[in-house]
Amino acid sequence: QQPVQSPQAVILREGEDAVINCSSSKALYSVHWYRQKHGEAPVFLMILLKGGEQKGHEKISASFNEKKQQSSLYLTASQLSYSGTYFCGTEGSGGSNYKLTFGKGTLLTVNP
Amino acid sequence: DSGVTQTPKHLITATGQRVTLRCSPRSGDLSVYWYQQSLDQGLQFLIQYYNGEERAKGNILERFSAQQFPDLHSELNLSSLELGDSALYFCASSVGTSGNTNEQFFGPGTRLTVL
Repeated sequence: QQPVQSPQAVILREGEDAVINCSSSKALYSVHWYRQKHGEAPVFLMILLKGGEQKGHEKISASFNEKKQQSSLYLTASQLSYSGTYFCGTEGSGGSNYKLTFGKGTLLTVNP
Repeated sequence: DSGVTQTPKHLITATGQRVTLRCSPRSGDLSVYWYQQSLDQGLQFLIQYYNGEERAKGNILERFSAQQFPDLHSELNLSSLELGDSALYFCASSVGTSGNTNEQFFGPGTRLTVL
């Protein structure tokens, strides 16, 4: 089942913060975050495994709430280079599904 | 550059035709994944191969098939093409079998247009 991402789109000014949420209706084993710029391939950001682990990648971090089956991606002090569509991909509980189900994406636009 | 290569970059064909998309994974990666990306459906997982064997299937139509060869490159075959098959097809690769511990590296994609 496809995870639900919110918001669908967000516009920021350089230096502002944003949060992108990813929710699933079923138990999750892992959540993956990717960023795709227009006309390019998705690029891996991070993976979060069940256990509520929080990870960081420069000024981008994420959390995984296993009980709520929800993950959030935090972008702080946004830069122009952060613009793109962010996708979360979820893997079902058990970790043996070998496949990711992606949300429809959140379009992030960072303006000067 | 992710290290994953896909050919061709663009493909224009007619309804009812058959096409083959090719993917070469990163050196050392044993898993290959195929995805279809369209505006209304987003990024849809199609199928995964690991070291030549099929490991997982997603929303892949019966008209579509894939395989991974001994040299680990993979091909996605699309037959009896319909207008709705027009999309961007991505191949991705990762080191292991499970997506939960291995990041996937995406190729540049093949844009298929069915007229």
